[in-house]
Amino acid sequence: GAGVSQSPSNKVTEKGKDVELRCDPISGHTALYWYRQSLGQGLEFLIYFQGNSAPDKSGLPSDRFSAERTGGSVSTLTIQRTQQEDSAVYLCASSTPGGLETQYFGPGTRLLVL
Amino acid sequence: AQSVAQPEDQVNVAEGNPLTVKCTYSVSGNPYLFWYVQYPNRGLQFLLKYITGDNLVKGSYGFEAEFNKSQTSFHLKKPSALVSDSALYFCAVRDINSGNTPLVFGKGTRLSVIA
Repeated sequence: GAGVSQSPSNKVTEKGKDVELRCDPISGHTALYWYRQSLGQGLEFLIYFQGNSAPDKSGLPSDRFSAERTGGSVSTLTIQRTQQEDSAVYLCASSTPGGLETQYFGPGTRLLVL
Repeated sequence: AQSVAQPEDQVNVAEGNPLTVKCTYSVSGNPYLFWYVQYPNRGLQFLLKYITGDNLVKGSYGFEAEFNKSQTSFHLKKPSALVSDSALYFCAVRDINSGNTPLVFGKGTRLSVIA
């Protein structure tokens, strides 16, 4: 079946511009996660959605970062006034509800801020 | 707090030899442990996980991992490495009782299998 998809696959932007990154989770997966992978830093949790509950935003690095999830499916991560340190690969993952479910990852969006 | 340590940034092994990629973890309760692999320009692919039961977990592509509670380790192993195993490997953990919460990942270990 279809996996997690993300778009765009690559994004180059100028410092100060806003960007939107999209994630389509696996159908039926109510949990959705955003992570950031920076060179040599591993994966950093950003935000987590579970069904209709309020999202866990504890990982967002600044108020320039926000995310929403419409209709319990597609999610958009928005970075306002991008900075060079925002350059990274942004990964989305989804899982079914429950406490012991495996997270499945999309291919990521590679963001480069010039 | 939960944490994962992957002490080796890079592991080099000759094709056909056994490989081990090390991982140690810290959680307040019982751990739920994962290994993921990332090939160049790709997302993370699930390899295997440990929840409970047999300490030796078998996963995809011939990989296995051994859970050792006393050493708080979950090392990834394969009896005979292939060149195609060359990739970036991530260990991840969360507390079993923390619900469907985000995983805490290690910084990754780059495996290079040399022909």
